Amino acid sequence: GDSVTQMEGPVTLSEEAFLTINCTYTATGYPSLFWYVQYPGEGLQLLLKATKADDKGSNKGFEATYRKETTSFHLEKGSVQVSDSAVYFCALSKQGGSEKLVFGKGTKLTVNP
Amino acid sequence: EAGVAQSPRYKIIEKRQSVAFWCNPISGHATLYWYQQILGQGPKLLIQFQNNGVVDDSQLPKDRFSAERLKGVDSTLKIQPAKLEDSAVYLCASSPIGRGDETQYFGPGTRLLVL
Repeated sequence: GDSVTQMEGPVTLSEEAFLTINCTYTATGYPSLFWYVQYPGEGLQLLLKATKADDKGSNKGFEATYRKETTSFHLEKGSVQVSDSAVYFCALSKQGGSEKLVFGKGTKLTVNP
Repeated sequence: EAGVAQSPRYKIIEKRQSVAFWCNPISGHATLYWYQQILGQGPKLLIQFQNNGVVDDSQLPKDRFSAERLKGVDSTLKIQPAKLEDSAVYLCASSPIGRGDETQYFGPGTRLLVL
């Protein structure tokens, strides 16, 4: 079945460091890819998404590019802030988001001042 | 626009008891989802409704879990009887149909502890 694999956490960085969280997927067809973020005490929020190969999703300084050849959707940010501390989930969906989301296990990020 | 509402936020019960969770989706969203998130794992879909019909319940443990969405708006998820392994956060999400954006919007979740 479809699956998503994320790099194991936790990840601890200093403020202004560069962030990469790796995500690879296994799916038939052409899924849409998502990054969701869960801040402490809050619900899941969509961070960014890409619906076809070579699309780049971006939001709040975060970026991820849909790479079909490597089945990857790695999350990057050039300079993290303390406020970026959260758990990040990579996910896929078969029909642009209306079908169920298949999530990775999540990566906890802590940014220290 | 109000977000997805869930209640209660926290629930502690003993095994073999029953429990129910309530979800009110974003107004006008036809699709509603219930996910189970066990500690340290990503959310897993339990059931998906479109209006008041079930689209996918393939991962719902039907011997103990049930869900309904009367009138295609609010939804209730029930567990009866609960087991220790049901301890998790239960997330409700909703999404619109046919507006070019089918993003799923999540509620804050209900954290269940089964003792």
